[in-house]
Amino acid sequence: DTEVTQTPKHLVMGMTNKKSLKCEQHMGHRAMYWYKQKAKKPPELMFVYSYEKLSINESVPSRFSPECPNSSLLNLHLHALQPEDSALYLCASSHHPHRVDNSPLHFGNGTRLTVT
Amino acid sequence: SQQGEEDPQALSIQEGENATMNCSYKTSINNLQWYRQNSGRGLVHLILIRSNEREKHSGRLRVTLDTSKKSSSLLITASRAADTASYFCATAGGATNKLIFGTGTLLAVQP
Repeated sequence: DTEVTQTPKHLVMGMTNKKSLKCEQHMGHRAMYWYKQKAKKPPELMFVYSYEKLSINESVPSRFSPECPNSSLLNLHLHALQPEDSALYLCASSHHPHRVDNSPLHFGNGTRLTVT
Repeated sequence: SQQGEEDPQALSIQEGENATMNCSYKTSINNLQWYRQNSGRGLVHLILIRSNEREKHSGRLRVTLDTSKKSSSLLITASRAADTASYFCATAGGATNKLIFGTGTLLAVQP
């Protein structure tokens, strides 16, 4: 079990659907992250939120829309995805937003997304 | 790219043997972290080594860091079947606030 909870665990969606991934942590961490991971590859950073504000967007297509409603919650809204967007989407949090190399990330178990 | 390279890409050993995996990175760093990922699960932080440290231990884990060669190694001693997982190094180079993961080593420990 992890201290970062992601829902749903699995999601199958069509290319015209709109869906959302959710992430929750109650460790008082002030930085939250979305990573995308394809099979047999390392996680790739998508977005970073620091103190509930978007601080990093790694040139992610606009069909992915992050949202941080409060310090404990992080959402990823999905719309008009492509089959190549199928992947494991990982949420993480860390204590210090501005020293990510000194502040280990705590990961959820991810949402396995399949786009048909 | 800031991404680190790890070798070997895959490693298969018998239970009780030691496993060594290596990470090379490109930019100067303050710290380097190692993570483990069991199949289909999230990553778990294992150990952080600072740039002024050469070696660090945590249980059966031993990490070394050579900043002159921009490389690190992770040694798992007396491996167990439960150590079967992918292992990633991670760094945040320069002034960036992004933690970037290396390519990873897939370790299989045969019982």
